Amino acid sequence: ETGVTQSPTHLIKTRGQQVTLRCSSQSGHNTVSWYQQALGQGPQFIFQYYREEENGRGNFPPRFSGLQFPNYSSELNVNALELDDSALYLCASSLDAGARNLPLHFGNGTRLTVT
Amino acid sequence: LAKTTQPISMDSYEGQEVNITCSHNNIATNDYITWYQQFPSQGPRFIIQGYKTKVTNEVASLFIPADRKSSTLSLPRVSLSDTAVYYCLVGDIPSNTGKLIFGQGTTLQVKP
Repeated sequence: ETGVTQSPTHLIKTRGQQVTLRCSSQSGHNTVSWYQQALGQGPQFIFQYYREEENGRGNFPPRFSGLQFPNYSSELNVNALELDDSALYLCASSLDAGARNLPLHFGNGTRLTVT
Repeated sequence: LAKTTQPISMDSYEGQEVNITCSHNNIATNDYITWYQQFPSQGPRFIIQGYKTKVTNEVASLFIPADRKSSTLSLPRVSLSDTAVYYCLVGDIPSNTGKLIFGQGTTLQVKP
């Protein structure tokens, strides 16, 4: 069983730039959620993708966008980077958006630093 | 989703049993209680989930009193490798969002 993998592991960008983060879901999982974790804080939900459609969104501006591909992998795109976007970005996969109370399986994240 | 309150930090020694209590006074009828563990520079890892009474797996036990307004994660005989942040989450995982609300968690420091 392959776990959730994210790339790159670390990234440094300049304010105003754009960034794309990638996630491969765990084998057999069709749902991907993205979280932002600032230093010393718990993860905050950004959005979820299910069957290639956004399926729920947290309190993040539109410059945070995503995609899900037919193989269930996903991308998180952030435009016009701000210093406060510096964080650990976590991807989590699960089986079936409609199933309740199933645990999410997280990757180890991408550490984004905006200077 | 219901808000949770847990201690910011706890210290323990190797071999001891550690109990982390989470308060969730506004828990709803359909809400489950889930605990995640997070090591530095890693994603959270599911530990245990329960609805009422007691749940036990190979890693931990979860005790939930009858009123369900609190829960206690019990880690038997901790080791240094149990040093991590532990998150208590409460909710009826919405069927189509996968949205989990994490608090600040409890940082457990296990000392030799």
